Amino acid sequence: DAGVTQSPTHLIKTRGQQVTLRCSPKSGHDTVSWYQQALGQGPQFIFQYYEEEERQRGNFPDRFSGHQFPNYSSELNVNALLLGDSALYLCASTKTGEAFFGQGTRLTVV
Amino acid sequence: RKEVEQDPGPFNVPEGATVAFNCTYSNSASQSFFWYRQDCRKEPKLLMSVYSSGNEDGRFTAQLNRASQYISLLIRDSKLSDSATYLCVVTPGGYGGATNKLIFGTGTLLAVQP
Repeated sequence: DAGVTQSPTHLIKTRGQQVTLRCSPKSGHDTVSWYQQALGQGPQFIFQYYEEEERQRGNFPDRFSGHQFPNYSSELNVNALLLGDSALYLCASTKTGEAFFGQGTRLTVV
Repeated sequence: RKEVEQDPGPFNVPEGATVAFNCTYSNSASQSFFWYRQDCRKEPKLLMSVYSSGNEDGRFTAQLNRASQYISLLIRDSKLSDSATYLCVVTPGGYGGATNKLIFGTGTLLAVQP
């Protein structure tokens, strides 16, 4: 049984560009949450998707948007990238019980 | 004020030592409490849930004090493999269920020396 998978694992983008990160949840999980982890910090909640709708949102600007597909996979989109968006982006999936994290996408904005 | 506060460390301890981590949270309505472990450049993984009655898993003991809004983790007989960042995590009240968002502290870095 595959756990949570994220792609790509690493990405380098230029300021002002747009990026799309992808997440496939653990089998049987229907809820996907995204987190941003800057260097030396704990993960910060971006938003959560359930039944293809954004259910909760953290304190992130509208440049951060997402989507959940009928198969429960999810995308995180970030527009107009800033240097400060450089971080590890983590996806976590749950149904009830423990949240399982993917290995993350390390985004570097130059 | 951060919602979850931890001493970032690093804690440098010899093998076999006992080490304690502490964490405070600001929202008295917080619902669930956890310790996660994160190895360097890896994803966080659940170490254990934390209950008011205290809970133990082998060498690890976690405790919650709701009145003081304080969470602790004790590691006995430290091993080299315990070296990692330990993240204190709470879920806010008002939403319910295990699908609530996770609020992380900054993490405490533990380095166990041979």
